[in-house]
Order: sequence, then C-alpha cells, then structure tokens
Amino acid sequence: DVKVTQSSRYLVKRTGEKVFLECVQDMDHENMFWYRQDPGLGLRLIYFSYDVKMKEKGDIPEGYSVSREKKERFSLILESASTNQTSMYLCASSSWTSGNNEQFFGPGTRLTVL
Amino acid sequence: AQSVTQPDIHITVSEGASLELRCNYSYGATPYLFWYVQSPGQGLQLLLKYFSGDTLVQGIKGFEAEFKRSQSSFNLRKPSVHWSDAAEYFCAVGTTNGDKLIFGTGTRLQVFP
Repeated sequence: DVKVTQSSRYLVKRTGEKVFLECVQDMDHENMFWYRQDPGLGLRLIYFSYDVKMKEKGDIPEGYSVSREKKERFSLILESASTNQTSMYLCASSSWTSGNNEQFFGPGTRLTVL
Repeated sequence: AQSVTQPDIHITVSEGASLELRCNYSYGATPYLFWYVQSPGQGLQLLLKYFSGDTLVQGIKGFEAEFKRSQSSFNLRKPSVHWSDAAEYFCAVGTTNGDKLIFGTGTRLQVFP
C-alpha cells in the first residue's frame, strides 16, 4: 500500500513564527503536492514538485515555500505564519507510471495560527 | 480552463436510502475523473476513478459512478447508504498540465438513522 505520512496531525503556532510541515511517501513517487483545504473552497494547490530540487507554484503559493531535497520528502514552509494560514494542509504523491493523475493523500495537518 | 462543479454543498439522507452526488466537469478531451472521500479529521481516500473504457465504474464501499460525456457529468451513486458513509466527498479531474488534479468544492453527506 502507498503510504503518505505527515509529521503532525495538529499544530498550533503563533503569528510570525516559521512553520515547517513535513511529508514523506514510501512508494518512490516522482510527484508530490501540497494543498490547503478550507470549508466551501475545497482543495487548493499550493506547490508541487516533479523531482528532487524541483518545484512549481500552484494556485495559491503566496506566503509559502517548499523544499524537496530527497525524493521521498516534500516540506512546506510558512516563512512567517499569519492567522489567515489557519487551515488543514494535505500532502499527496503520484507517479508518472500510473498515467492517470491518481494521487495518494496523507492524513493532513490541521494548523492553527494564533 | 478545466474546472469541476459539485452543485450540492450538503446532502442529508436516511440510512438505507439511495444516494446520488452530482459532479460536472469542464474539459476539452476525455478526462481522467476521480471521486475521493474524506472522513472527519482524515485525509482523502480514493473511491473510484475513470480514464477509459466502460462508462460505469465500480469503486470501494459499494459506490459506483457513471461517466456521461454528453452531460459532462460523473455522478457518484450508492443504492443503500450506511451511517458510516457520512463524510465529505470530492470529485476531481486530471489535467493535461503535468499530474495535477482539479478538485470540486466538495459535498458533505449527513446520514440519519
């Protein structure tokens, strides 16, 4: 089974703090994604990566950055957390070999910024 | 531009009743289509997917979906809902821009005993 894990299920941070959300997948997938999920808005893509050291902006990259130093790990960084970044963050991975865009999701991190 | 619409924000059904969740997409070619389910506090789990062949797709947990090109729809159905089906359901379409998915805004299903 594909397994995507996220470092924390719940996180509480203060405004201005630097926040790291970690995601690890164990299926040697090339592609990894970070989404945020908010009520009524569904899932919105923040950043994605097709390979180590590569990153692409998604639909809402402002206020975020990412790092992919190893194939299995994709980190989302909030440089200076703000209250409007309180949300559920979901990581996903996929493989080019599937040929159909299927993504596998982690359990999510619910981040609260006070 | 590709897009996905789930017109029902919230649906309530009685346990044992049939269910249909609507999904409409906008896409130029034959799309890759997905339904995911999210239980409270959890990540997304794939229910079923369509990318070619038979337009009626069977998934896990007794769900099925039918791809109708003429209506640009991919509605999710279940003949008899169980209380454990209460969750949020997301429809998604695969894009030609890499391996990305575009998600609808979700439908929250509530099941009454």
